Amino acid sequence: AQSVTQPDIHITVSEGASLELRCNYSYGATPYLFWYVQSPGQGLQLLLKYFSGDTLVQGIKGFEAEFKRSQSSFNLRKPSVHWSDAAEYFCAVGPGVNFGNEKLTFGTGTRLTIIP
Amino acid sequence: DAEITQSPRHKITETGRQVTLACHQTWNHNNMFWYRQDLGHGLRLIHYSYGVQDTNKGEVSDGYSVSRSNTEDLPLTLESAASSQTSVYFCASSVQSGGTEAFFGQGTRLTVV
Repeated sequence: AQSVTQPDIHITVSEGASLELRCNYSYGATPYLFWYVQSPGQGLQLLLKYFSGDTLVQGIKGFEAEFKRSQSSFNLRKPSVHWSDAAEYFCAVGPGVNFGNEKLTFGTGTRLTIIP
Repeated sequence: DAEITQSPRHKITETGRQVTLACHQTWNHNNMFWYRQDLGHGLRLIHYSYGVQDTNKGEVSDGYSVSRSNTEDLPLTLESAASSQTSVYFCASSVQSGGTEAFFGQGTRLTVV
């Protein structure tokens, strides 16, 4: 069964500092990987996704993530955070192209706090 | 613009009552999903549907049911609400092809007292 681990429950970063949120997955084949962001009281918005090809993917709002198969990781990064980036971030894994199953499995989330 | 809407946004109900949460999408997506979000658990899949008349159980389906009579709607019913079902519920939809993103509704906060 597929699973996702986000080891950091809460991260605090100063505005303007760099950010890296960790995500490790467990899956028997090449997965689809996603990062979603949830602002307070809102639904989830897709930041970026990895299906295949270039292992460094660019997303919205200046975020990027790198797929490392050898480490089963898909960490999210941003070079310089803004106060508006304060939110909850979820990593998710889905089955690869050889499966018709479209279910996503989510991690438990990382809450990001930005300090001035 | 196409969208996915949930109603109500907030609901308080009593233990033992039947409750139905609505989810309506105008994307014409075949796939629809219901998740619940709880602190420390992230999002957990309750039920999902790959098309009209198709429904499937997720990892936390006990006490919940869904029906899919058309493409646009996937209502979630709590047969007999319990305090353990106090949560935030999210509906999502996606195109039925490999690896496309899921679009989420704004969520319904349900409190069972």
